[in-house]
Amino acid sequence: QSVLTQPPSASGTPGLTVTISCSGSSSNLGSHEVYWYQQLPGTAPKLLIYWNDQRPSGVPDRFSGSKSGTSASLAISGLRSEDEGDYYCAGWDGRVSGVLFGGGTKLTVL
Amino acid sequence: QMQLQESGPGLVKHSQTLSLTCSVSGGSISGGHFYWTWVRQPAGKGLEWIGRIDISGVTYYNPSLTNRVTISKDASKNQFSLNLKSVTAADAALYFCVAVIEVAGKGTVDYWGQGTLVTVSS
Repeated sequence: QSVLTQPPSASGTPGLTVTISCSGSSSNLGSHEVYWYQQLPGTAPKLLIYWNDQRPSGVPDRFSGSKSGTSASLAISGLRSEDEGDYYCAGWDGRVSGVLFGGGTKLTVL
Repeated sequence: QMQLQESGPGLVKHSQTLSLTCSVSGGSISGGHFYWTWVRQPAGKGLEWIGRIDISGVTYYNPSLTNRVTISKDASKNQFSLNLKSVTAADAALYFCVAVIEVAGKGTVDYWGQGTLVTVSS
């Protein structure tokens, strides 16, 4: 069972915005940065956001991240069919001295 | 652009040791500041962090695996490796090696291998 909690599924209409949440605790999101990954079917995960809100080069600005306290969110605006896949939050946990992944959210574009 | 490639047996017998190697190209395993990391994903399930080794050889492991796992690196071969002892069916998964660029003690952008599938036989 993941210590970072994500909704198992999310959906949205093309062109609109969907938000995926990630809930943690003081030992992880409350004191360390959050990362967000996208995993499309049959591929390795791809980093979308690091340090809460930073996008790696090449990631569209349709993807944005935020964090407040022990919770974080990934927003995807201008939703496209190719955004369908699994999304994971991750972060360091100081209590266990290791990286935690959320359980993942399966995004469906309606 | 750094590239990573996992290699190792795709089939491991129950109670034996799983050994995987990640070959790094486009960068030196002994240069720069990276967290050399292993992540796995059981079929149809989520991602699980296994552990990492840094430039100084310091390792961190997932507490649920720490008694069975060892991550090491070989600068002469530009590779890092994963050993997981006493495997069970629960260890069957797609195993990824990852190079995470470290800045100020924190991970930033990363590079992933394509993954290698490991099956455990009884």
